[in-house]
Amino acid sequence: EVHLVESGEGLVQPGGSLRLSCAASGFTFSIYAMHWVRQAPGKGLEYVSSISSNGDNTYYADSVKGRFTISRDNSKNTLYLQMGSLRVEDMAVYYCARRAAGTALYFDYWGQGILVTVSS
Amino acid sequence: EIVLTQSPGTLSLSPGERAALSCRASQSVSSNYLAWYQQKPGQAPRLLIYGASTRATGIPDRFSGSGSGTDFTLTISRLEPEDFAVYSCQQYASSPYTFGQGTKLEIK
Repeated sequence: EVHLVESGEGLVQPGGSLRLSCAASGFTFSIYAMHWVRQAPGKGLEYVSSISSNGDNTYYADSVKGRFTISRDNSKNTLYLQMGSLRVEDMAVYYCARRAAGTALYFDYWGQGILVTVSS
Repeated sequence: EIVLTQSPGTLSLSPGERAALSCRASQSVSSNYLAWYQQKPGQAPRLLIYGASTRATGIPDRFSGSGSGTDFTLTISRLEPEDFAVYSCQQYASSPYTFGQGTKLEIK
């Protein structure tokens, strides 16, 4: 059974940094592209970042470009999101998600999400 | 950027009734690259439909997706108590891959 478990939840001040992790199990992690999606309070889901199966290709939404870095360690079956220069508007529940097999960019499995609070 | 507008914002129905949720795109979604997800508080979002009309693995056949171009619909034929949740659509035809704001399906 596929499991994605996020960790790294925290309260951080504006301008601060935080690293999220997503531990994957139940599937061959190294052959799937992975993503981070977030949901701010009372808002819809927002696509944040993605990384190819081997880590060579990454994508960032304009809202986080230059501040967030996505990475993965296939030997540890873990996905990461390093967040820097955090803003109040980055406060959200962050989900890691697995891209479905093939090239289509929808997500067939998601983690339960982790809350990132940005506040002074 | 393709903007997805879901309606209604909240839908109040009773178990056993039929639900129809709308997702309208600001421009055509090519190849019907549209997905639907179900969200319950504290739980992982769940993929229901992809390709506008293909049910994901393990999804009951009371869930169906339809539509093309700019207008898409998720239909739940007979609501079960566990179906009351928030439903979101997502287009994956063009970057950035956007989501709708969600429709909350609540018990009447």
